[in-house]
Amino acid sequence: DADVTQTPRNRITKTGKRIMLECSQTKGHDRMYWYRQDPGLGLRLIYYSFDVKDINKGEISDGYSVSRQAQAKFSLSLESAIPNQTALYFCATSSSRGDEKLFFGSGTQLSVL
Amino acid sequence: QQQVKQSPQSLIVQKGGIPIINCAYENTAFDYFPWYQQFPGKGPALLIAIRPDVSEKKEGRFTISFNKSAKQFSLHIMDSQPGDSATYFCAADTGRRALTFGSGTRLQVQP
Repeated sequence: DADVTQTPRNRITKTGKRIMLECSQTKGHDRMYWYRQDPGLGLRLIYYSFDVKDINKGEISDGYSVSRQAQAKFSLSLESAIPNQTALYFCATSSSRGDEKLFFGSGTQLSVL
Repeated sequence: QQQVKQSPQSLIVQKGGIPIINCAYENTAFDYFPWYQQFPGKGPALLIAIRPDVSEKKEGRFTISFNKSAKQFSLHIMDSQPGDSATYFCAADTGRRALTFGSGTRLQVQP
């Protein structure tokens, strides 16, 4: 079983809909992250959480919100999806007691029509 | 506005060649410089990382060269193989926030 699990793997939605992407991990890590990947732009940080009560905005947080429901769960919401939010979304984890290595999920491909 | 600039965007080499991917940064507070490798349909995975107290680090066929004064670092892949075909991302961090990634390089190693 994957250590970092993202659901769904693929999602197609319409402009204006609310969407939630979910991430769960079994690695026991305290830090979790959401990145989006776009061709030519690499991976850009949306939100990150260093523990359940510590949530921080990344460089492209506008239009997104997150919830850290437990140490193992970190969800990303698009309140009102728009076409330029079409991208590949990755959840990642790391340990504050480790070497800063990120462990990524397999990604969620989101298409907003 | 990217804090870590990566080049080239794509690279094609023959098997056995030595592809080189370059990254440059501006933030002098960065103290951790990893490279991630991503295969199609997968999330990125850590390949190799360096801290600024050394100028070079080797792990197998992969080498990071680091130039602190120029604020540049690069990845060299010795004796490249078709199985090395992937997208490579450089990144940088201060340890107090989260990794900032470069724009990625798509490497193709031809047989």
